[in-house]
Amino acid sequence: DVKVTQSSRYLVKRTGEKVFLECVQDMDHENMFWYRQDPGLGLRLIYFSYDVKMKEKGDIPEGYSVSREKKERFSLILESASTNQTSMYLCASSSLATLGNYNEQFFGPGTRLTVL
Amino acid sequence: AQSVTQLDSQVPVFEEAPVELRCNYSSSVSVYLFWYVQYPNQGLQLLLKYLSGSTLVKGINGFEAEFNKSQTSFHLRKPSVHISDTAEYFCAVRGAGGYQKVTFGTGTKLQVIP
Repeated sequence: DVKVTQSSRYLVKRTGEKVFLECVQDMDHENMFWYRQDPGLGLRLIYFSYDVKMKEKGDIPEGYSVSREKKERFSLILESASTNQTSMYLCASSSLATLGNYNEQFFGPGTRLTVL
Repeated sequence: AQSVTQLDSQVPVFEEAPVELRCNYSSSVSVYLFWYVQYPNQGLQLLLKYLSGSTLVKGINGFEAEFNKSQTSFHLRKPSVHISDTAEYFCAVRGAGGYQKVTFGTGTKLQVIP
């Protein structure tokens, strides 16, 4: 079974703190994703990565950065946390799809971040 | 650009009754369509997907969805729901061909009433 793990289920931080959210997958997937999930807004893509040291901006990258130094690990960084970054953060991974196909994204359980 | 609209934010239904969760999409290119389910305190998991071929797609747990290109819809159905189906359901769309990101809808919470 594919397993995507996230370092914390719940996290409370103060405004201005630097926050690291870690995600690890154990299936040698090329693609990794960070989403945030907010009520009434669904999932919004923050960043994704299709290879080690490669990253692409998603729909809402402002205020976030990412790091992928190893294939299995994808980190989301909040340089200076703000209250509007209070949210559920979901990590996902998928293998590289062949042409005309789609490979399922496997999701971690999420990290609920509260910024006070 | 592509977008997904889930018309109902919450759907209450009695146990063993049928249910339909509505999803409409817009895209300027051919699409792949998906339904994901999120059980309480868990991440999302894929319920079913439409890539091509038959417009009626069957997924896990007795769910099915029908792709209707003329109405740009991909509604999810189940003939008889169980308490364990209580969850949030997300419709998603991706442009076909090459690498394109998946766009998720805002979700529909299905509440099964005993």
